[in-house]
Amino acid sequence: DAGITQSPRYKITETGRQVTLMCHQTWSHSYMFWYRQDLGHGLRLIYYSAAADITDKGEVPDGYVVSRSKTENFPLTLESATRSQTSVYFCASSERAGGPKDTQYFGPGTRLTVL
Amino acid sequence: AQKITQTQPGMFVQEKEAVTLDCTYDTSDQSYGLFWYKQPSSGEMIFLIYQGSYDEQNATEGRYSLNFQKARKSANLVISASQLGDSAMYFCAMREGLGYDYKLSFGAGTTVTVRA
Repeated sequence: DAGITQSPRYKITETGRQVTLMCHQTWSHSYMFWYRQDLGHGLRLIYYSAAADITDKGEVPDGYVVSRSKTENFPLTLESATRSQTSVYFCASSERAGGPKDTQYFGPGTRLTVL
Repeated sequence: AQKITQTQPGMFVQEKEAVTLDCTYDTSDQSYGLFWYKQPSSGEMIFLIYQGSYDEQNATEGRYSLNFQKARKSANLVISASQLGDSAMYFCAMREGLGYDYKLSFGAGTTVTVRA
């Protein structure tokens, strides 16, 4: 039972480089989410997806791009990384069938450092 | 405006005692869901408990219970018989609305330290 996985778990990159963070879930959940977690800001939603080929912006989408060609995958791309994007990134998924099935289940996180 | 407010940045509790973590929320929706997550020092986010706005009974999951007071818009988490492994950051979150536009709003979190 793999659940939801993220790769890489740790990444160091340089300013201006493109970086892609991967997220994969085995539950066939329709909804997937990307959050960033920073000290003093808690968890903030970057992008989310209701289904394959349907994505929408969250609270802090600038500088990020997402795609979802398959239900199980939801990659997050930083087109030109900046130091302010140094953070811990969490992917999550949920069934979105109402009630407790709205529960989001989180991946282990990716710690990204932009130098 | 803050949708989720957790007023206790940090708390200490003695092992085997109960601890209550405060959470108040702000919404005009009739249908919403409330969640608590635990984040230990290892970093993962672990789902603990869920309460629906129409649920008449307080939710319970093992040693976790949610004290839901709808009129006061509060959803406090109670951890009974604290264990050393309960030391972690705890987040309250709320899902509003029924439509496609589905997001969770998180509070700032409360750090719990369990003392032996």
